[in-house]
Amino acid sequence: NAGVTQTPKFRILKIGQSMTLQCAQDMNHNYMYWYRQDPGMGLKLIYYSVGAGITDKGEVPNGYNVSRSTTEDFPLRLELAAPSQTSVYFCASSTEGKGGLHFGDGTRLSIL
Amino acid sequence: GDSVTQMEGPVTLSEEAFLTINCTYTATGYPSLFWYVQYPGEGLQLLLKATKADDKGSNKGFEATYRKETTSFHLEKGSVQVSDSAVYFCALSDLNSNSGYALNFGKGTSLLVTP
Repeated sequence: NAGVTQTPKFRILKIGQSMTLQCAQDMNHNYMYWYRQDPGMGLKLIYYSVGAGITDKGEVPNGYNVSRSTTEDFPLRLELAAPSQTSVYFCASSTEGKGGLHFGDGTRLSIL
Repeated sequence: GDSVTQMEGPVTLSEEAFLTINCTYTATGYPSLFWYVQYPGEGLQLLLKATKADDKGSNKGFEATYRKETTSFHLEKGSVQVSDSAVYFCALSDLNSNSGYALNFGKGTSLLVTP
């Protein structure tokens, strides 16, 4: 059982480039989330989705876009990379209820 | 809004020492509370949880009790091991919020256990 799978694990981008961070889960979870983790700052919610076709902004959505065409996949798009987007990005999923989130292993992104 | 405050790190302990990592929260609803652990280079793993006041979550020798009167959820372990070295995050999920079941995280506390 793979759980939440994120690709790539590492990436270096130049300022202004675009890329998509991939996230897939095989647990049939309706809820999916994108967080970014910056040193000493904990995790901040970027976007979330409550089901296929439904997405909404979290705490720090600027500079990002998401889509949710299937239950399994929840890609995060950076259109014009900026140095402030250098971070570790985590995708997570959950069922309804109080069970908490299942996290992927993260994508470490550097923008130079 | 909802928030979590946890003690600053790093925390350095000798093996077999007693561990406490403090966590307090602010929430307008009735949150569920969680502790997650992150080992170097890995994602976050759920360590334990509590969903209502006075519940005690426990796992792998770690414990935390949901104290509504002090709005706290402190993490404890009686005897730490070198393998417990990691970053620990306290988090809450307020089902009255409008972000699904997203969690609000504290800033994390780094723990280093030395032999």
